[in-house]
Amino acid sequence: GENVEQHPSTLSVQEGDSAVIKCTYSDSASNYFPWYKQELGKRPQLIIDIRSNVGEKKDQRIAVTLNKTAKHFSLHITETQPEDSAVYFCAHRGFQKLVFGTGTRLLVSP
Amino acid sequence: EPEVTQTPSHQVTQMGQEVILRCVPISNHLYFYWYRQILGQKVEFLVSFYNNEISEKSEIFDDQFSVERPDGSNFTLKIRSTKLEDSAMYFCASRVTSGNEQFFGPGTRLTVL
Repeated sequence: GENVEQHPSTLSVQEGDSAVIKCTYSDSASNYFPWYKQELGKRPQLIIDIRSNVGEKKDQRIAVTLNKTAKHFSLHITETQPEDSAVYFCAHRGFQKLVFGTGTRLLVSP
Repeated sequence: EPEVTQTPSHQVTQMGQEVILRCVPISNHLYFYWYRQILGQKVEFLVSFYNNEISEKSEIFDDQFSVERPDGSNFTLKIRSTKLEDSAMYFCASRVTSGNEQFFGPGTRLTVL
């Protein structure tokens, strides 16, 4: 019960559009939900995170929502820019480890 | 800003050889992790380490793998007899006791021939 389903696997948008990536998890004990951005050949970098006692968090153009009852959480990027192009991973943490989703390749076209 | 560092950046080895991947976590962090990422796939947890012992490990982390904190700054991952399928990017991460965020190192790309 530790897997994370992430959709879509690829997402192409025009610059200025919004992008939404969704994840579903199954571990009821999960209490921390980070999102990572990974550029080609680089390390995963945390872009936003949320704890289970919060339903929504926003940081400039990025927001995350969490529905703990439904075990869903989503990443929203508004006013996308070409430099947002990367692979995005959701993750959740129960005890110690982070369990990652399968990733979404976001391509923002100018 | 302090960062997790890893050496080497790229390691090429022959199947059956032992490799040691090295990490220097951020200095005031006490929780350490190893993850791996096969090319084009998701990041997978290998092991977590706290207070000089393994606190959690995955099914991937079998008897061929071991971790060590040989001194006050380094954290190492050893693979005793490498297999072709061990080829991947290996990331070290660390976090403070009171925090959630895991800070990732730049990774070591391991290529097993």
